[in-house]
Amino acid sequence: DAKTTQPNSMESNEEEPVHLPCNHSTISGTDYIHWYRQLPSQGPEYVIHGLTSNVNNRMASLAIAEDRKSSTLILHRATLRDAAVYYCILRGDSNYQLIWGAGTKLIIKP
Amino acid sequence: EAGVAQSPRYKIIEKRQSVAFWCNPISGHATLYWYQQILGQGPKLLIQFQNNGVVDDSQLPKDRFSAERLKGVDSTLKIQPAKLEDSAVYLCASSLRPGRILRSDTQYFGPGTRLTVL
Repeated sequence: DAKTTQPNSMESNEEEPVHLPCNHSTISGTDYIHWYRQLPSQGPEYVIHGLTSNVNNRMASLAIAEDRKSSTLILHRATLRDAAVYYCILRGDSNYQLIWGAGTKLIIKP
Repeated sequence: EAGVAQSPRYKIIEKRQSVAFWCNPISGHATLYWYQQILGQGPKLLIQFQNNGVVDDSQLPKDRFSAERLKGVDSTLKIQPAKLEDSAVYLCASSLRPGRILRSDTQYFGPGTRLTVL
């Protein structure tokens, strides 16, 4: 199964942009890149997903490298409510479940 | 739109006892998932239903865990007997699309049930 690698934790200041990296060097051509986040004591929630092109929604932007071996989740202006564990997950035909790693714990400093 | 509902939110039991969790997915969602999340780890898929049929239960410890989805809507997950290592949060999720075309589908999670086995 294709795997992802994320830093264990990152810190950022409130109201600044945050770039959360994810490496997925074994990604296949049909794998989608999904990002979820999990706030303390809550279930995970969907953030964004993409295949090849960069994607934007009201929560975040997803920048996908041209070779698709890495991607970056961008929070344009972090708030204290964005403090969570962020998971980068690949999902394809041979791995249609979501295989979760440990994610990146994002700490927002006021 | 109502989200995924789970109950109870918390449960404390002694080892060797049995416990059951309930999940009500978002209306109209064909696919339902049960995950186990141990503290400090990402969720691990236990079982996936499509309507009322099992799609994948390869990681379900079938000697003690069982799950069913009656009439393709609500689902229950049971543990009997519980072990200390079953202490975890049990998450239920649902998604809209049926079938194996799930690569771009979005899962919606409930708040989870925190199980403590003493």
